[in-house]
Amino acid sequence: ETGVTQTPRHLVMGMTNKKSLKCEQHLGHNAMYWYKQSAKKPLELMFVYSLEERVENNSVPSRFSPECPNSSHLFLHLHTLQPEDSALYLCASSQELGQIMQSNTEAFFGQGTRLTVV
Amino acid sequence: QQPVQSPQAVILREGEDAVINCSSSKALYSVHWYRQKHGEAPVFLMILLKGGEQKGHDKISASFNEKKQQSSLYLTASQLSYSGTYFCGTENDDYKLSFGAGTTVTVRA
Repeated sequence: ETGVTQTPRHLVMGMTNKKSLKCEQHLGHNAMYWYKQSAKKPLELMFVYSLEERVENNSVPSRFSPECPNSSHLFLHLHTLQPEDSALYLCASSQELGQIMQSNTEAFFGQGTRLTVV
Repeated sequence: QQPVQSPQAVILREGEDAVINCSSSKALYSVHWYRQKHGEAPVFLMILLKGGEQKGHDKISASFNEKKQQSSLYLTASQLSYSGTYFCGTENDDYKLSFGAGTTVTVRA
């Protein structure tokens, strides 16, 4: 148990559906991240939020829409996805956004949501 | 810019040693190491902050060569519990934590 909770754990959705992934942390962290993990590929950083403001959008298609209503919650809204979007979506949080020579950037990951687009 | 890890996979017998390498084409400010077991979230192992820094965690240790923009993770006298996929995460001057593709370690009795 890392203190970062993701729901749902598994999601199957059609290409015309709209769904949302939820991430919650009560660790008092200020930075939250969405990563995509596909088979045999590096973890791909999608979005970064620091103090509820988006600081990074890593060239992610607009069919993925993040939302950070407060420092404890992060959502990923999904619509009109493609089969190649099927992957494990991981949420992570850290005390602070990565800063040079700081030790408090350790990332705590949630268990992930296994998404299958059919 | 994502770091490059090698090897992609390694199979060990209990008690054997292994080295996993992580390199970046950009200047590194810190290197993180994580281990992910099948069906579980990645778990933080250690962070190295300074050039030449070395750290140890039980029989798992790592070094960070800032000049070479490389880090290595050393698994010593491996145990069955060491099995999993090891990821290095690198932090560049853009503050993003980017991960390598992972190295799958299988330790057999």
